[in-house]
Amino acid sequence: EVQLLESGGGLVQPGGSLRLSCAASGFSFSRYAMSWVRQAPGKGLEWVSASSGSGGSAYYADSVKGRFSISRDNSNNMLYLQMNGLRAEDTAVYYCAKERYCSTVDCLPDDAFDVWGQGTVVTVSS
Amino acid sequence: DIQMTQFPSTLSASVGDRVTITCRASQSISRWLAWYQQKPGKVPKLLIYKASSLQGGVPSRFSGSGSGTEFTLTISSLQPDDFATYYCQQYSTYTPYTFGQGTTLEIK
Repeated sequence: EVQLLESGGGLVQPGGSLRLSCAASGFSFSRYAMSWVRQAPGKGLEWVSASSGSGGSAYYADSVKGRFSISRDNSNNMLYLQMNGLRAEDTAVYYCAKERYCSTVDCLPDDAFDVWGQGTVVTVSS
Repeated sequence: DIQMTQFPSTLSASVGDRVTITCRASQSISRWLAWYQQKPGKVPKLLIYKASSLQGGVPSRFSGSGSGTEFTLTISSLQPDDFATYYCQQYSTYTPYTFGQGTTLEIK
């Protein structure tokens, strides 16, 4: 069974840091682009960051560029999101999500998300 | 960035109704559009990809259509399990991906 399990969320003060993790199982992890998507309380979905299958290419939303960093460890089927300089507006449930299909040599991000984790809650507050 | 606009924001309907949700892109995205269903406290679920392809396991009462900038999600006969929030998402470019603001389907 394909599964994604996030961890690492919590309460952090403004300006602080957190590292989110996503453990993947049940599929060939390195063969899929992966993303982080967040949802603020009572709000819609917002894409945050994506990683190519190899981890060689990373992409960010303007709202987090320069503060967040995505990475992956394909040998251990793990996806990470390092979040620095956290702000109140970063408060959200953070989901990791698997893309449906790999259509390029490096599995660049270019497809819908067919598997989502359960999410981890990040609260930025003093 | 490509902006996605969904309408209506809220839709009230009854079991058995046929409903349509529309999603409009600020520029052409060909057919690179997905639809998701999310219930309160739950994870988003992929319903439709590439504008009209039904994800495995999704009931056939769900269908998608459109290309370019205008897309629709249709539920042919609403079931009690369908009352949820629906999001469209474009994946035309190598990010940033963008979602519509969501359409909440309520029981009339």
